[in-house]
Amino acid sequence: DIQMTQSPSSLSASVGDRVTITCRTSHGISTYLHWYQQKPGKAPKLLIYGASILQTGVPSRFSGSGSGTEFTLTISSLQPEDFATYYCQQSFDTLFLTFGGGTRVEIK
Amino acid sequence: QVQLRESGPGLVKPAQTLSLTCSVSGGSINSGADYWAWIRQHSGKGLEWIGFIFRSGSPYYSPSLKSRAFISVDPSKNQFSLKVNSVTAADTAVYFCARVRREASNYYFDYWGQGILVTVSS
Repeated sequence: DIQMTQSPSSLSASVGDRVTITCRTSHGISTYLHWYQQKPGKAPKLLIYGASILQTGVPSRFSGSGSGTEFTLTISSLQPEDFATYYCQQSFDTLFLTFGGGTRVEIK
Repeated sequence: QVQLRESGPGLVKPAQTLSLTCSVSGGSINSGADYWAWIRQHSGKGLEWIGFIFRSGSPYYSPSLKSRAFISVDPSKNQFSLKVNSVTAADTAVYFCARVRREASNYYFDYWGQGILVTVSS
């Protein structure tokens, strides 16, 4: 299976900060990498698929980049509603979909 | 707008079978190229893919649950279901159903149910 490692596991940031979350994979996965946001008690919400394609309705302050084994999710200017946990997910191995461990974004 | 909703018992006894149903509205489970999936999340932990199914085709399962999980589709009710046999306390989790959008090897979850907590306890 493809191992997913997110870093950091948590971070503290202020409103307006630029935030970057990294996801590394144990094998090259091209751009078959997707990002989700999850708030407490809620289902995850798709933000980005195909490493860099913004899902319809997601604010443009979210962006994704990367290919191969290293990917980043960037929030250009953190807003109050962005405090949440973020997960990456790979689909290179379509018969064994896996998620990263999550990055919790907290208020500083 | 596609909507999904999980239903089923919130409490299951050890060694018994966990059974959940996901009702889909706003779209047909029997059309398109989408898969239909189950994912779970242990308390305070990350997300774990359980498996998915395409219409009434063969399901695919995570190796960690392959021998105990079963996913099926009922197109007449626009529902799909999950059964997990021989449950233990380790199966206590929030279970989500979701639609899997497929574009080449981009398999991503674009619509989710709200989740249902299943506790395994005697």
